Amino acid sequence: AQSVTQLGSHVSVSEGALVLLRCNYSSSVPPYLFWYVQYPNQGLQLLLKYTTGATLVKGINGFEAEFKKSETSFHLTKPSAHMSDAAEYFCAVSDRKRGNRDDKIIFGKGTRLHILP
Amino acid sequence: NAGVMQNPRHLVRRRGQEARLRCSPMKGHSHVYWYRQLPEEGLKFMVYLQKENIIDESGMPKERFSAEFPKEGPSILRIQQVVRGDSAAYFCASSGLISTDTQYFGPGTRLTVL
Repeated sequence: AQSVTQLGSHVSVSEGALVLLRCNYSSSVPPYLFWYVQYPNQGLQLLLKYTTGATLVKGINGFEAEFKKSETSFHLTKPSAHMSDAAEYFCAVSDRKRGNRDDKIIFGKGTRLHILP
Repeated sequence: NAGVMQNPRHLVRRRGQEARLRCSPMKGHSHVYWYRQLPEEGLKFMVYLQKENIIDESGMPKERFSAEFPKEGPSILRIQQVVRGDSAAYFCASSGLISTDTQYFGPGTRLTVL
């Protein structure tokens, strides 16, 4: 069964510094991998998604993530943090029982990103 | 181009009452997923529905919870005889027909059981 582990429930970075949010997954089949962001009292917004092909995936708001099969990792990065990046970030993997469909998504517990002025 | 809509946004119920949560998928989407988010937890899958069919309900509690997605109208998540442990944020997502399609999430319904 698929699972996701996010290292660090809280991460603090200074404005302008590199953002690195770590995610490791386990999957018995080639996974689909996601990063979602959740702002307070809002739903989830998709940041980026890996399905197949290029392992470096670029998303919205300057975020990117690299799929590393050998490390079973999908870490999220952004070169320069902005105050508006403060939110909770969820890494997720899809359970692809039915062919290529994105069926149920298995989420990590989330990492709350704090931006220090 | 409206996104996924959920109502109500906030719902307060007393123990033993029923809670009905509604989800209207994005226009043209026929697949609906319900997730529950407990405090300090990630989202947990509950159920996956297509129009008039439950495809996967492996995440649904065995009792008191049910879901439907009728031919017409929104998807409904129904919780009977609510208990305090049901207090959570419930999110709905929808997707279209194309493989590798993305799930788009609604703003959620925050259920508080007194």
